[in-house]
Amino acid sequence: SQTIHQWPATLVQPVGSPLSLECTVEGTSNPNLYWYRQAAGRGLQLLFYSVGIGQISSEVPQNLSASRPQDRQFILSSKKLLLIDSGFYLCAWSPTLNEQFFGPGTRLTVL
Amino acid sequence: QKEVEQNSGPLSVPEGAIASLNCTYSDRVSQSFFWYRQYSGKSPELIMSIYSNGDKEDGRFTAQLNKASQYVSLLIRDSQPSDSATYLCAVKGGSGGYQKVTFGTGTKLQVIP
Repeated sequence: SQTIHQWPATLVQPVGSPLSLECTVEGTSNPNLYWYRQAAGRGLQLLFYSVGIGQISSEVPQNLSASRPQDRQFILSSKKLLLIDSGFYLCAWSPTLNEQFFGPGTRLTVL
Repeated sequence: QKEVEQNSGPLSVPEGAIASLNCTYSDRVSQSFFWYRQYSGKSPELIMSIYSNGDKEDGRFTAQLNKASQYVSLLIRDSQPSDSATYLCAVKGGSGGYQKVTFGTGTKLQVIP
């Protein structure tokens, strides 16, 4: 069966510091991968998606970036965090571009 | 106009009753529809997907789709306190190529023992 991991689970970072969140999927190959952000009281916002190694599409302009160095690894990064970057970051995978299955998430607080 | 709209609730139902959660969407060519359950502080969990008009049943859950009315609903029979969560409706467009999944902001369900 497939499993998706995210770490860290929680993170508190000062404004202006860098960020690196990691997501890995087990038990499948060539998954479609997604990064979402869920801000308090708001819906899920798609940040990036990837259909293969090195293939990244961005949905919204922002100070975040994503990379997919390996088939089952997806990384979300920032060089300098802003207060508005606080939120619940969710990685998801999909075998078919339909159903998406979410990881446990990373709760980021920027102070 | 929001692409996917849900009543934020909370929707309160007594234990054992039927909970009815509704969702409307604006993209007429949408083809795929999903319901996720999200417990407080946790990530969303897929509970139902539906692609054709009509009803789809899975245990105590029934998803209903009406593409002409651009309406999708989720019925939960014999509601249990463990069903208390926020339910997210998600819709995928259908115009060819990559189509992202758009999520509603969710309906909070409270099942009262």
